[in-house]
Amino acid sequence: QQQVKQSPQSLIVQKGGISIINCAYENTAFDYFPWYQQFPGKGPALLIAIRPDVSEKKEGRFTISFNKSAKQFSLHIMDSQPGDSATYFCAAGMIWGANNLFFGTGTRLTIIP
Amino acid sequence: DVKVTQSSRYLVKRTGEKVFLECVQDMDHENMFWYRQDPGLGLRLIYFSYDVKMKEKGDIPEGYSVSREKKERFSLILESASTNQTSMYLCASSPPREESNEQFFGPGTRLTVL
Repeated sequence: QQQVKQSPQSLIVQKGGISIINCAYENTAFDYFPWYQQFPGKGPALLIAIRPDVSEKKEGRFTISFNKSAKQFSLHIMDSQPGDSATYFCAAGMIWGANNLFFGTGTRLTIIP
Repeated sequence: DVKVTQSSRYLVKRTGEKVFLECVQDMDHENMFWYRQDPGLGLRLIYFSYDVKMKEKGDIPEGYSVSREKKERFSLILESASTNQTSMYLCASSPPREESNEQFFGPGTRLTVL
């Protein structure tokens, strides 16, 4: 079964608006929550990541909000730009074992002018 | 810069053929991974390897095998390709967990099985 649930599957946002993508998990062994960005024809690349000891992490226009009690985390893209149009994947990694990541199903984000 | 390269960007094979997908990383990473990416299903782990000659099944290993004879190279093998293996295949590598959780991906191989 899907260990990390991601929504929405696709999202259209006006330029300058806020894009929000949500993820949820069940396994309390997860201790690392990254977001990957994938442009067409490229492999995914790490965008931003958070550990469960903080509730928010901000890097430029990108922010992860993390709610440990609800087992949810989200990506916020402020002042969304056409260059942000890509597919975004959330993921979760465990505190033990091999360095695996469990990925969400992805969100195709389109920023329109 | 970490570089993960995959032998082909596009591949077309016939049903029943044996298919090899090659992946090479240049950062001396211990861990390597093979995923397939399908619309609406995200990235699903096929196999991973945490050391030379070591391999572990991921979520969808059926119909696939892997080989890791050298640290920098991880091969995905489709013993007898089938049409339901038409997909985008992504290779990734990562250092040990103690160093970083980040995975570095190659550009992918789009495989079509006719």
